[in-house]
Amino acid sequence: GEDVEQSLFLSVREGDSSVINCTYTDSSSTYLYWYKQEPGAGLQLLTYIFSNMDMKQDQRLTVLLNKKDKHLSLRIADTQTGDSAIYFCADPMDTGRRALTFGSGTRLQVQP
Amino acid sequence: NAGVMQNPRHLVRRRGQEARLRCSPMKGHSHVYWYRQLPEEGLKFMVYLQKENIIDESGMPKERFSAEFPKEGPSILRIQQVVRGDSAAYFCASSLETYEQYFGPGTRLTVT
Repeated sequence: GEDVEQSLFLSVREGDSSVINCTYTDSSSTYLYWYKQEPGAGLQLLTYIFSNMDMKQDQRLTVLLNKKDKHLSLRIADTQTGDSAIYFCADPMDTGRRALTFGSGTRLQVQP
Repeated sequence: NAGVMQNPRHLVRRRGQEARLRCSPMKGHSHVYWYRQLPEEGLKFMVYLQKENIIDESGMPKERFSAEFPKEGPSILRIQQVVRGDSAAYFCASSLETYEQYFGPGTRLTVT
């Protein structure tokens, strides 16, 4: 079935790296996405990765994609208190389909 | 360039009333998506529209819910005869022909 799974909670100290993991069941998607949601706010598109890539780096963000294991991760280097939020991975589930299936979100708490 | 606009930001309705949620996509975007987020959960896809057309409504409840995106004006998500279980945050997203979806701030519906 269609499923995107994430761990619910991650706590790190300011300045450390954070790694948020996601597993998905459908492998035909062209892109996979990471979104950030701050309390009471909408979702902010952080980054995305093409399915033919293994890695994408964008400033403090590194996305790793392991298609064989259907595993996606988001690494945030030098995590700051402003990075505290809920992070969602999203998968269109089907090539050409635009509806995104979201994981349940990982709440990142950054301790000063 | 203004982002995706949604109004109202907060809406309170009594059981049995109608709720109308509005979404104005980003300038130049012709694809609109509606998602629902229940408390402490991820977003669930509801419907995908282009101007005057419903493209994918696989996530819409069969009864009481409808959506439109007219030639002129915002997209409207309409919920008739609301029930307590409809209380949620409703997010609209828009995109160009590409797949990146940009989200609005959401409408938080409370049914009393």
